[in-house]
Amino acid sequence: GAGVSQSPSNKVTEKGKDVELRCDPISGHTALYWYRQRLGQGLEFLIYFQGNSAPDKSGLPSDRFSAERTGESVSTLTIQRTQQEDSAVYLCASSLAQGPVGEQYFGPGTRLTVT
Amino acid sequence: AQSVAQPEDQVNVAEGNPLTVKCTYSVSGNPYLFWYVQYPNRGLQFLLKYITGDNLVKGSYGFEAEFNKSQTSFHLKKPSALVSDSALYFCAVRSRNSGNTPLVFGKGTRLSVIA
Repeated sequence: GAGVSQSPSNKVTEKGKDVELRCDPISGHTALYWYRQRLGQGLEFLIYFQGNSAPDKSGLPSDRFSAERTGESVSTLTIQRTQQEDSAVYLCASSLAQGPVGEQYFGPGTRLTVT
Repeated sequence: AQSVAQPEDQVNVAEGNPLTVKCTYSVSGNPYLFWYVQYPNRGLQFLLKYITGDNLVKGSYGFEAEFNKSQTSFHLKKPSALVSDSALYFCAVRSRNSGNTPLVFGKGTRLSVIA
């Protein structure tokens, strides 16, 4: 079946521009997560959506970062006024609402380069 | 607070030799533990998880991991390494009391299997 998809796969932008990254989770997965992976580093949690509950935004690094999710489908991560330190791979994951047992399924990521 | 430590940034092993990738965790209460693998330019793929029961968990591609509560460890192992196992490996934890919240990941260990 179809996995988690993300677009674009690569994005090069100039410093100061806004970017939008898209994630299509696996159908039926109510939980959706955004992570950031900087070169040579681990995964940094950004934001988490669970069904119709208010999202957990505790990982967003600044108010330049925001995300939305339409129902239990597509999510968009927006970075405003991009900075060079925003350069990273942005990973999206989804999971079923099985409580803590369920594993997360990851998309291939969007590689963002801010020049 | 939950945390994961992967003490080795890099592990090198000869093809055919056994491999171990180390992981220790800190969590309140009992943990759910996960291993993921990331191949170059790919998203993270789920390998295996410990939920309850047998401390030795078997997963994809011949990998296994042993949960050790007294040492708070969940080391990943494989009896005979393949060159194709070369990748970045992430350990992750979630508390049993935390619902479907985001996994907490270690920084990753790069495994190189040399022919």
